[in-house]
Amino acid sequence: GNSVTQMEGPVTLSEEAFLTINCTYTATGYPSLFWYVQYPGEGLQLLLKATKADDKGSNKGFEATYRKETTSFHLEKGSVQVSDSAVYFCALSQGGSEKLVFGKGTKLTVNP
Amino acid sequence: EAGVTQSPTHLIKTRGQQATLRCSPISGHTSVYWYQQALGLGLQFLLWYDEGEERNRGNFPPRFSGRQFPNYSSELNVNALELEDSALYLCASSLRTDYGYTFGSGTRLTVV
Repeated sequence: GNSVTQMEGPVTLSEEAFLTINCTYTATGYPSLFWYVQYPGEGLQLLLKATKADDKGSNKGFEATYRKETTSFHLEKGSVQVSDSAVYFCALSQGGSEKLVFGKGTKLTVNP
Repeated sequence: EAGVTQSPTHLIKTRGQQATLRCSPISGHTSVYWYQQALGLGLQFLLWYDEGEERNRGNFPPRFSGRQFPNYSSELNVNALELEDSALYLCASSLRTDYGYTFGSGTRLTVV
């Protein structure tokens, strides 16, 4: 079956550090891939997505590239801010109405 | 455009009671998904409704049930509440999952 594996957290960085959160997936065909962010006490928000191989999703300085050859969709940001502190979830969809499959989430804390 | 709305925001119940949680999807979205997020855990898939029918359910006991109304809004019912049912319950709606979900802000259920 489909699955998503994220790097274990928590991740703690200083402001302006480089961020990478690894995400790999197992799926048949060409799933759509997503990163969601959950700020403390809130629901999840879609951060970025990519629907085909080599697509790069980007938003708010974050980016992730759909790598079919390595079945990966790693999240990166060049310079994190305190306001980026949140839990980040990687997810995939096989399309249609089937449910999204989520990773377990990675908690990021950015210290000033 | 209104987002996904959930009510109530917070709910406190006594063990053994019943809880009813409500969700209104984005206009035009026919699929509604329910997830449980217990403290420190990832997202656990509960239920998926589409066009008024239950399409899939996660690994939860039958005391977790729900329905979807003709206007596509949805209700999650939890009977015989147990302490471990305390969690954030998230509702999401989607037109097509390769577009991603839109989540509501959640209902925080506390069982005492």
